[in-house]
Amino acid sequence: AQRVTQPEKLLSVFKGAPVELKCNYSYSGSPELFWYVQYSRQRLQLLLRHISRESIKGFTADLNKGETSFHLKKPFAQEEDSAMYYCAPPQTDSWGKLQFGAGTQVVVTP
Amino acid sequence: DVKVTQSSRYLVKRTGEKVFLECVQDMDHENMFWYRQDPGLGLRLIYFSYDVKMKEKGDIPEGYSVSREKKERFSLILESASTNQTSMYLCASSLSGTGGVYEQYFGPGTRLTVT
Repeated sequence: AQRVTQPEKLLSVFKGAPVELKCNYSYSGSPELFWYVQYSRQRLQLLLRHISRESIKGFTADLNKGETSFHLKKPFAQEEDSAMYYCAPPQTDSWGKLQFGAGTQVVVTP
Repeated sequence: DVKVTQSSRYLVKRTGEKVFLECVQDMDHENMFWYRQDPGLGLRLIYFSYDVKMKEKGDIPEGYSVSREKKERFSLILESASTNQTSMYLCASSLSGTGGVYEQYFGPGTRLTVT
């Protein structure tokens, strides 16, 4: 079964500072990896997916198959980036399912 | 606009009650999911449905059952609610495809409290 590790429960950064959210997973058979975000009082939504290689809201995520990592980065954090972030690689035992990590709460202070 | 709706935002039930949580999506998605979201544990999959009347257990199915009689509707049932089922419940839907994993669209969540 897929295992996902987001080692930081809470990341507190200053506005304008870089932010990196770590994600490690156990099974690297699929290029489909996702980051989801949940802003306060909003529903969980897709932030970005690896296969599209887009940069969303200034965030990028680098897939490192050798290290089985998919870290999320932004060079200059903004206050509106304060949210809960979940890494979600696919599950290994059936199509269509994701395995969500425990999440990292990001707090950006002015 | 993509829409996943859940029947209640907040629900308070007593121990032992039967609880129904309803989810409806209007995107004609094949896949539907029920998760519970707990601090420090992230999202854990309770049940997954890949077609009408088809279901698959997730990581934590004990104490729950599901029903999918129509493509757009996926119900989560707590047969006999217990206090350890107090949680936020999220419903999601996605397209389905051979070998593919698609974006999941989430509902607003139902905060269930069992007293």
